[in-house]
Amino acid sequence: DAGVTQSPTHLIKTRGQHVTLRCSPISGHKSVSWYQQVLGQGPQFIFQYYEKEERGRGNFPDRFSARQFPNYSSELNVNALLLGDSALYLCASSSTTGGGTEAFFGQGTRLTVV
Amino acid sequence: QQQVKQSPQSLIVQKGGISIINCAYENTAFDYFPWYQQFPGKGPALLIAIRPDVSEKKEGRFTISFNKSAKQFSLHIMDSQPGDSATYFCAASIWGQNFVFGPGTRLSVLP
Repeated sequence: DAGVTQSPTHLIKTRGQHVTLRCSPISGHKSVSWYQQVLGQGPQFIFQYYEKEERGRGNFPDRFSARQFPNYSSELNVNALLLGDSALYLCASSSTTGGGTEAFFGQGTRLTVV
Repeated sequence: QQQVKQSPQSLIVQKGGISIINCAYENTAFDYFPWYQQFPGKGPALLIAIRPDVSEKKEGRFTISFNKSAKQFSLHIMDSQPGDSATYFCAASIWGQNFVFGPGTRLSVLP
């Protein structure tokens, strides 16, 4: 079975631009979460979606938005990019939500803002 | 209260030795504690996880020890190998919601 797939793998954008990152969860998984990992730090939670509904939002500005589609894939959108948005963006897939739910991460999208 | 603290920041171990990484948390509502291994340029990979009703879990060379009263948990890697050289993250979550990660430990296993 394929794992969590993210696209693109690398991206270079200019300050002020918009970016869309995509994620396909493991087959059968209905929950997708997004994390931002700045170099040298642990991942920071951005959003969680389950069955197309937002289940959680981290401490990120409104420039960050996301959605989940009927096939459970997801998009993360970031508007008005800042240099500080440069990071590895990770998507995590879970079969459900609830206690003890395992989360499996994709390879990430490396975003560089110049 | 949502923080997870992790130490040491970096660790150097000889091949065959034991690697020990420690984490601590404050929020007693956390109900799931996974450890992730991350290689450069890759996403974190789930290594082993534990729930607070268990004090120890072992999978192969990897063991989690959990101390609920002290709000601490640790990862032990037995017979450490050069291929174990990576960054390790502890994490915690409540009811499968957002995972709170520690800052990471960079492990180097010398041949």
